[in-house]
Amino acid sequence: GQQVMQIPQYQHVQEGEDFTTYCNSSTTLSNIQWYKQRPGGHPVFLIQLVKSGEVKKQKRLTFQFGEAKKNSSLHITATQTTDVGTYFCAGPRGAQKLVFGQGTRLTINP
Amino acid sequence: GAVVSQHPSRVICKSGTSVKIECRSLDFQATTMFWYRQFPKQSLMLMATSNEGSKATYEQGVEKDKFLINHASLTLSTLTVTSAHPEDSSFYICSARQWSSGELFFGEGSRLTVL
Repeated sequence: GQQVMQIPQYQHVQEGEDFTTYCNSSTTLSNIQWYKQRPGGHPVFLIQLVKSGEVKKQKRLTFQFGEAKKNSSLHITATQTTDVGTYFCAGPRGAQKLVFGQGTRLTINP
Repeated sequence: GAVVSQHPSRVICKSGTSVKIECRSLDFQATTMFWYRQFPKQSLMLMATSNEGSKATYEQGVEKDKFLINHASLTLSTLTVTSAHPEDSSFYICSARQWSSGELFFGEGSRLTVL
């Protein structure tokens, strides 16, 4: 069945350094979504990418959707301590369901 | 933005008892809600899709008789963990999709501990 693979599983950076997490799907995706889950919290929707090759920015966060619509990335420039958490990508399965990647846990050394 | 509320946020129960978790969409109607389970430091695993007015559809490997789902109204879905055992201890999260935006909103989650 459809799988969404995400790497790395963990990433520890110094505050101010950049961070990137990558997501790959075994099948072409109609869209991909990104979520952030703070420690002890619930996932919060960040963004949805729909178009092939799409790039979207939210302040220091840059999201990309691959040309083949099978991979995506989230890049954070100059991380801050508030960026700590686990970042999940998620792709649709069927008309309604969402399949989540394993997540990348970001920790930051202030 | 849209809000999904989940209750209780934490529950501790004895082995063998049943626990009910409620998921409400506060400012939009949700014909479909989703229930996920998340073990520590792991991803969200979809358990079932809750459909208003009809039976829930369960993912492979999820026991429908153990995890009872009821979606009686357009704003409420409940998950009942029946005869809970310690291995059922987990973080249970519901979500609902707001169709106008396509965005999936998550409840705050319910942390179940079975002693």
